[in-house]
Amino acid sequence: DAGVIQSPRHEVTEMGQEVTLRCKPISGHNSLFWYRQTMMRGLELLIYFNNNVPIDDSGMPEDRFSAKMPNASFSTLKIQPSEPRDSAVYFCASIIRGNTEAFFGQGTRLTVV
Amino acid sequence: AQTVTQSQPEMSVQEAETVTLSCTYDTSENNYYLFWYKQPPSRQMILVIRQEAYKQQNATENRFSVNFQKAAKSFSLKISDSQLGDTAMYFCAFMKDAYSGAGSYQLTFGKGTKLSVIP
Repeated sequence: DAGVIQSPRHEVTEMGQEVTLRCKPISGHNSLFWYRQTMMRGLELLIYFNNNVPIDDSGMPEDRFSAKMPNASFSTLKIQPSEPRDSAVYFCASIIRGNTEAFFGQGTRLTVV
Repeated sequence: AQTVTQSQPEMSVQEAETVTLSCTYDTSENNYYLFWYKQPPSRQMILVIRQEAYKQQNATENRFSVNFQKAAKSFSLKISDSQLGDTAMYFCAFMKDAYSGAGSYQLTFGKGTKLSVIP
């Protein structure tokens, strides 16, 4: 398996623009997580899905952030409009329930200027 | 809510020496899992070692071992025979019992320790 795949690897955008981050979990994994990593706050959980259903989005910072998982093999995290303080590395991770090892993608480094 | 604290922002060790990274956590849960993840400059998060709270025996993976003190809520990582490739950020993480209700499988991370292995 190719592991968790995130795209793009890097994204630079202007303030106010819409940004969409993409994630393909490992086939067969039934939970998916979006984490954000910043120097100040470290790694924080934004939202997670079980069997494509959003379970807990309490970590989503504002209404500008939204996440979807239309099927078991694809998820998006959208920021609209983006702001400079959204600059961070965004990680997607997947897990198969019953196993505690989470597999992470390589992350998307987002820079909002 | 769970919290994870890593009190050493940065550490360094000579190649081939041993180093211990500290981690403490706070939880009211009785069953849980603890992890150490490694993040090299490539940014990839790599699982180093995992410990189930109900197991008294400390986990080991080759040169990596943990000292798990449940009563003290302490979970340190020992790296023996340090290698240049061990240079990375190391994150301690907590997961509630994967068989409990909502919130299971999510990880709560510490702020990390930056480890440098010196030739």
